[in-house]
Amino acid sequence: GENVEQHPSTLSVQEGDSAVIKCTYSDSASNYFPWYKQELGKRPQLIIDIRSNVGEKKDQRIAVTLNKTAKHFSLHITETQPEDSAVYFCAASASNTGNQFYFGTGTSLTVIP
Amino acid sequence: SAVISQKPSRDICQRGTSLTIQCQVDSQVTMMFWYRQQPGQSLTLIATANQGSEATYESGFVIDKFPISRPNLTFSTLTVSNMSPEDSSIYLCSVEDRGGTGELFFGEGSRLTVL
Repeated sequence: GENVEQHPSTLSVQEGDSAVIKCTYSDSASNYFPWYKQELGKRPQLIIDIRSNVGEKKDQRIAVTLNKTAKHFSLHITETQPEDSAVYFCAASASNTGNQFYFGTGTSLTVIP
Repeated sequence: SAVISQKPSRDICQRGTSLTIQCQVDSQVTMMFWYRQQPGQSLTLIATANQGSEATYESGFVIDKFPISRPNLTFSTLTVSNMSPEDSSIYLCSVEDRGGTGELFFGEGSRLTVL
């Protein structure tokens, strides 16, 4: 199956700085790459996603880039705020394999006020 | 979107016992997915539950340990059998958005502690 690696495992930034989280995947058939945010004690929730026919997508302070050739994608958060503190998971899915999602190992982001 | 209800939300279990987790969705869905999230870890796919057929298990997970039922298009159960402390985890039910966006929605999770 798919193998998704995520770095770093922990990240601390000052409020207002940018945060970047990177993921790589192994299955060239993967074509959908979502990012989930999980606050302590809560369920994961989608914050942004990108499909393989797009190289970059932006939603306010959050952006995701995809390099399909290199099989890696990244999450960029600008102007970080304390409420951005959470665990972030990347995932990969190939629509031709029953839509199973395979998650990265997670990044614990702390935004220091 | 999808509203997913799971129960129990949490439980404390004795070693060697089994526990069944229920997952109810507010709309009909083809596939339901069961994930495990061990403390401080990522989400690991256990199996995909399809209505009318046997569940498809991921590597490292077997039906004898995690039997799954899928009696209709809105409901599924996951049983954790013959539990050991290593099974202490959060178990999450999830479904894909019926609108075709690809988004995966999760239930609140069932936090199991095995003593």
